[in-house]
Amino acid sequence: SYVLTQPPSVSVAPGQPARITCGGDFIGLKSVHWYQQRPGQAPVVVVSDDRDRPSGIPERFSGSNSGNTATLTISRVEAGDEADYYCQVWDMSTYHVVFGGGTKLTVL
Amino acid sequence: QVQLQESGPRLVKPSQSLSLTCAVSGGSISSGGYYWNWIRQIPGKGLEWIGSIYYTGSTYYNPSLKSRVMISLNTSETEFSLKMTSLTAADTAVYYCARGGIQLWSCVHFWGQGTLVTVSS
Repeated sequence: SYVLTQPPSVSVAPGQPARITCGGDFIGLKSVHWYQQRPGQAPVVVVSDDRDRPSGIPERFSGSNSGNTATLTISRVEAGDEADYYCQVWDMSTYHVVFGGGTKLTVL
Repeated sequence: QVQLQESGPRLVKPSQSLSLTCAVSGGSISSGGYYWNWIRQIPGKGLEWIGSIYYTGSTYYNPSLKSRVMISLNTSETEFSLKMTSLTAADTAVYYCARGGIQLWSCVHFWGQGTLVTVSS
């Protein structure tokens, strides 16, 4: 089955950029979605289809996808960005949804 | 704006079955052409996709759960359901219903608030 690999944690100082990676075989050929989940809340999509930002999501959030790695970038991290982030794809070979293991973003 | 709300038992005994219903407001399931999902999250762990159902009734399941899971559309056209059999403590989780897009590979835009189901005697 298809596996998405994320770093368990990323720490960054306020105002600095944060980059969260999502690795998978030829992930660049798939549409990658990113979700933010704050404690006790349901996930919220922050980037869809590699780089699209839903309405209401700050421009600080952006995505890229190429080769075997997709990346979520938060350009200037704020305290409110502290959350768990998950990448997600649809695996066409097995017809199912796959989530990465999640990355906990800590704002120092 | 689509809203989803899960309902069902909060406590289930081991070996028993779980039935959850997702009520959809802001539109009917049959009219939109969207994929409707169940996703769970074991406390302190990541998200796990359980399965999806298209408005036509076509279903897709996580291979690791497929033998114990069934997702169905309700006749009301504003609800869909999850049934999971042979529960164990490992199935204790927050269960979310959610609406995907018009393609299988679309993101999950709308989520219910989630319901914690505990499997315990």
